[in-house]
Amino acid sequence: GEDVEQSLFLSVREGDSSVINCTYTDSSSTYLYWYKQEPGAGLQLLTYIFSNMDMKQDQRLTVLLNKKDKHLSLRIADTQTGDSAIYFCAEKSADSWGKLQFGAGTQVVVTP
Amino acid sequence: DGGITQSPKYLFRKEGQNVTLSCEQNLNHDAMYWYRQDPGQGLRLIYYSQIVNDFQKGDIAEGYSVSREKKESFPLTVTSAQKNPTAFYLCASSIAGSEQYFGPGTRLTVT
Repeated sequence: GEDVEQSLFLSVREGDSSVINCTYTDSSSTYLYWYKQEPGAGLQLLTYIFSNMDMKQDQRLTVLLNKKDKHLSLRIADTQTGDSAIYFCAEKSADSWGKLQFGAGTQVVVTP
Repeated sequence: DGGITQSPKYLFRKEGQNVTLSCEQNLNHDAMYWYRQDPGQGLRLIYYSQIVNDFQKGDIAEGYSVSREKKESFPLTVTSAQKNPTAFYLCASSIAGSEQYFGPGTRLTVT
């Protein structure tokens, strides 16, 4: 099947920017998503980008998409302790209806 | 408040017993999904339903069953045939195949 890969861990200081990276293999991806999961909770949709876009900004969040390299990133500006969580990248391909392929998640730890 | 509810939050069962996990949504979404999450892994799709009275197997359907008799409800039964049922189960819903919204999850422990 198609793969979505993320680095497993990121440590960042409060106030700095965080950058979480994701790579995928499906060349027919239509939408790419970022979700946030706090301990013991469900997934919260943070943002998503359509595959014909290369950037999307939403307050402190910036998504960059390099379709040629199949690389997606999420930048969180002015990272706060409340941003500590697991972040999942997911992609939806053109022929999969609503089915999403998830990465394993990146654990982000924000230190004071 | 619109949203997705899953109950209970924690569930304990003995091996060999079937157990049903509840998922309800009041978002008027047509599509609903069940995922399984294991530590250090991404979510894996168990079953999904695009519309009432219809559902399809996902990537890991063996040992699970679902029904979709009402638009609002998509219960998941973990049967005794599921070899490794202990996991965190997440339900989601969406308008057609668009972005998915998740419930708070049910942690199932089978001993």
